[in-house]
Amino acid sequence: DAGITQSPRYKITETGRQVTLMCHQTWSHSYMFWYRQDLGHGLRLIYYSAAADITDKGEVPDGYVVSRSKTENFPLTLESATRSQTSVYFCASRETGRFTEAFFGQGTRLTVV
Amino acid sequence: AQSVAQPEDQVNVAEGNPLTVKCTYSVSGNPYLFWYVQYPNRGLQFLLKYITGDNLVKGSYGFEAEFNKSQTSFHLKKPSALVSDSALYFCAVRDKDDYKLSFGAGTTVTVRA
Repeated sequence: DAGITQSPRYKITETGRQVTLMCHQTWSHSYMFWYRQDLGHGLRLIYYSAAADITDKGEVPDGYVVSRSKTENFPLTLESATRSQTSVYFCASRETGRFTEAFFGQGTRLTVV
Repeated sequence: AQSVAQPEDQVNVAEGNPLTVKCTYSVSGNPYLFWYVQYPNRGLQFLLKYITGDNLVKGSYGFEAEFNKSQTSFHLKKPSALVSDSALYFCAVRDKDDYKLSFGAGTTVTVRA
């Protein structure tokens, strides 16, 4: 299916475990982003990528790692999950071009116990 | 640095009445402004954007937004609200020289029948 998909949709993990959230887009968009959504904070940018093999930190990168070996995939890894990382995570992508809007995945609800 | 403020956590209106969701922004250069809507357990959906030109921008589902440079505002409006407009609304800004979006905290809109 065309679009941007995230997996899993829901995940429960234990403190200290490594967790990877997947993001796949079919548009070949250059830009991809990871946000977390928390009550009262809106969406905060974790990491972003301008192209394959180009990534950069956003507003709240600590405790997260990203990679982008292929244009269509942008996985987010929590190296050692903490309870403060319980959140809803959204992946987004956008075409190259200054005026384009971002498109968002359905989100992954992650609970760290 | 760029930032967005949505001064109202919640907006409640009766069906058929006008709906306004407020947004103010701060950027160092010319802004690109966006509104997104989020329905429960869904990702963000793009509503409309302001890039340049006419200060009144029309978008999806009958929504429009008015850009006011002197007040650094970009308020979302709908002349006649529907119960189905009940959702979480996010304003976002991007500086023309940047490629990442900054979001406000969101405004929950409830339209009562």
